[in-house]
Amino acid sequence: EAQVTQNPRYLITVTGKKLTVTCSQNMNHEYMSWYRQDPGLGLRQIYYSMNVEVTDKGDVPEGYKVSRKEKRNFPLILESPSPNQTSLYFCASSTWTGMNTGELFFGEGSRLTVL
Amino acid sequence: GQSLEQPSEVTAVEGAIVQINCTYQTSGFYGLSWYQQHDGGAPTFLSYNALDGLEETGRFSSFLSRSDSYGYLLLQELQMKDSASYFCAATGGGGNKLTFGTGTQLKVEL
Repeated sequence: EAQVTQNPRYLITVTGKKLTVTCSQNMNHEYMSWYRQDPGLGLRQIYYSMNVEVTDKGDVPEGYKVSRKEKRNFPLILESPSPNQTSLYFCASSTWTGMNTGELFFGEGSRLTVL
Repeated sequence: GQSLEQPSEVTAVEGAIVQINCTYQTSGFYGLSWYQQHDGGAPTFLSYNALDGLEETGRFSSFLSRSDSYGYLLLQELQMKDSASYFCAATGGGGNKLTFGTGTQLKVEL
C-alpha cells in the first residue's frame, strides 16, 4: 500500500529535550516536505526537499532541522523544543509531476506537545 | 510572499450546493489545488486547476480565474460526510512550493 508514515503519532515532551519525528514514504517520490498546522493558521511549510541531499527552508524553519540522506526518509529534528512548537505536524511527498499539479500525499500527522 | 484567503466557516444543508472561495497572491503562480481534511486527519487532494475554467470531478468542481487571482471549490449534493475543512493551495516559487490557505470549515446540517 502506497503511504507516508510518520512516527511518533503523539508525543508529550519537555522544553529542551531533543526529539526527532520520522517520515518515510514507499512511493519513490523525489519531493518531501514538512508542515505544521495550528488553529486558524492552516498548514505552514517548515522545510522541503527536492531530492536526496537537497533541502531548503519553507516559511517557518526556525527551531527545526531536517536531513535527506535517503530518498524514502525525511526526518524532522527539534534540537531544543520550546512550547511554541506545540503543534500538529504533517509530512508529505510527491513526484515532480505531482508537484506540478499540486498533489501531495500526506502522512497521518504527529501531534507534539512541548511542556 | 504568498498568501491565500478563504472564509473560515461555511454552513449548508444536506443536498444543497456550496461554494468555497479562495483569493491568492502568489509569486510565480503555477496553479491552485484543493484539499479536504477531516478532524485533524491527513489532508487529501481533491483537484487542481492550472488554466482558467472549471474542472469537474464527480460531485466536486473547481474553478480558476488567473486574471482575478481567484478560485473556488463547488460541492454539489452535499452529504453529511462532506463536513470537513477545505484548503486551497497555490503552487508557485518555481513549482517546488505549495502554500496553503487558512482553511474553511464546512458544516453540513440535516
